[in-house]
Amino acid sequence: GDSVTQMEGPVTLSEEAFLTINCTYTATGYPSLFWYVQYPGEGLQLLLKATKADDKGSNKGFEATYRKETTSFHLEKGSVQVSDSAVYFCALSSSNTGKLIFGQGTTLQVKP
Amino acid sequence: DAMVIQNPRYQVTQFGKPVTLSCSQTLNHNVMYWYQQKSSQAPKLLFHYYDKDFNNEADTPDNFQSRRPNTSFCFLDIRSPGLGDAAMYLCATRGTGLNTGELFFGEGSRLTVL
Repeated sequence: GDSVTQMEGPVTLSEEAFLTINCTYTATGYPSLFWYVQYPGEGLQLLLKATKADDKGSNKGFEATYRKETTSFHLEKGSVQVSDSAVYFCALSSSNTGKLIFGQGTTLQVKP
Repeated sequence: DAMVIQNPRYQVTQFGKPVTLSCSQTLNHNVMYWYQQKSSQAPKLLFHYYDKDFNNEADTPDNFQSRRPNTSFCFLDIRSPGLGDAAMYLCATRGTGLNTGELFFGEGSRLTVL
């Protein structure tokens, strides 16, 4: 079945450091790919999305490119801030079931 | 303005005492979901409605029930909460048609079981 695998956390960075959170997927068909962010005590917010191969999603300085050849959707940010501390979930929308399938989440902690 | 609204944000109940969580949406989306999330783990899908059609996940305990009286509202009923049911419960919606599969989440309802 369809699945998503994220790098394990926690990831601890200093402010202004470069961020990469790896995400790979297994899916049949042509899924849409998403990154959701969850701040402490809150629900999930869509951070960015890509709906087809080679699309680049971007928002708030974060970027991710849909790479069909490597089945990846890695999240990057050039310079993280303390306010980026949160849990990040990679997800795909299964073209078979219509369900959203999440990775296990990666906790990011940014220190001043 | 919030588009998916969950109430209450925080709910404390006693072991075995029924609880109802509510979700309302202003997006007029066909599909509504209920997820359970523990300790920043990935959300676990409990069930979803496609319009009035109810779809239960195979491993969702019978203790969890849901109602969708109209397009805008959906309820999660926990008939006899156990300590293991303490979690964040997330409601989400999705449109159809040209939809990309994106889900819109509420802020969540955090359930504590004493």
